[in-house]
Amino acid sequence: QVQLVQSGAEVKKPGASVKVSCKASGYIFTRNGISWVRQAPGQGLEWMGWISGYSGNTNYAQRLQGRVTMTTDTSTSTAYMELRSLRSDDTAVYYCAREPLGGVYYFDYWGQGTLVTVSS
Amino acid sequence: QSALTQPASVSGSPGQSITISCTGTSSDVGAHNYVSWYQQHPGKAPKVMIYDVSNRPSGVSDRFSGSKSGYTASLTISGLQTEDEANYYCSSYRSSSAPWVFGGGTRLTVL
Repeated sequence: QVQLVQSGAEVKKPGASVKVSCKASGYIFTRNGISWVRQAPGQGLEWMGWISGYSGNTNYAQRLQGRVTMTTDTSTSTAYMELRSLRSDDTAVYYCAREPLGGVYYFDYWGQGTLVTVSS
Repeated sequence: QSALTQPASVSGSPGQSITISCTGTSSDVGAHNYVSWYQQHPGKAPKVMIYDVSNRPSGVSDRFSGSKSGYTASLTISGLQTEDEANYYCSSYRSSSAPWVFGGGTRLTVL
């Protein structure tokens, strides 16, 4: 069965960086794209960006351009999301989510989420 | 401010039906049939309930249905059950540099 397993919670100081991993299993990693979605405490969902599991091509949300980098390691079927120059309003649960094949547009599997807390 | 507009809360009694709306623009909801709906229980990851406006993934109860008219999509839950109490988010794909937008979420309370 498809699973996305994320790394554990992080506590960072303002200005630091964080790198969250998302290890995929149960499918061929290079066939699907992965998006990253975050959710601030008590708030809604925010799309952060997308990476192709095949080519590594990326597309980032404009408001995060310059601070976010998404990468993959196909040898371990793992996607990574690095966010730099952290601010208090980056405190959120970060999710990876898979996009299915076949010309449909939604997220069919989600990781369990990684809480990133930014605090001095 | 979210790109898609949802009511903050709705409520219903067990056995009743409720509908949650999701209003977008000509660039997202009105442009494609790529609206999806997600259920999220507290402390859990979202779970897709409807995709492509009205399709249910395998394993999702047929009490959940979706529709769209113009710039507004809707999620209807019939025969409400206590386990349906959760937050619901709509999402739309759009052909732009930022392809995914979400609604602000709707808190469903089953009284």
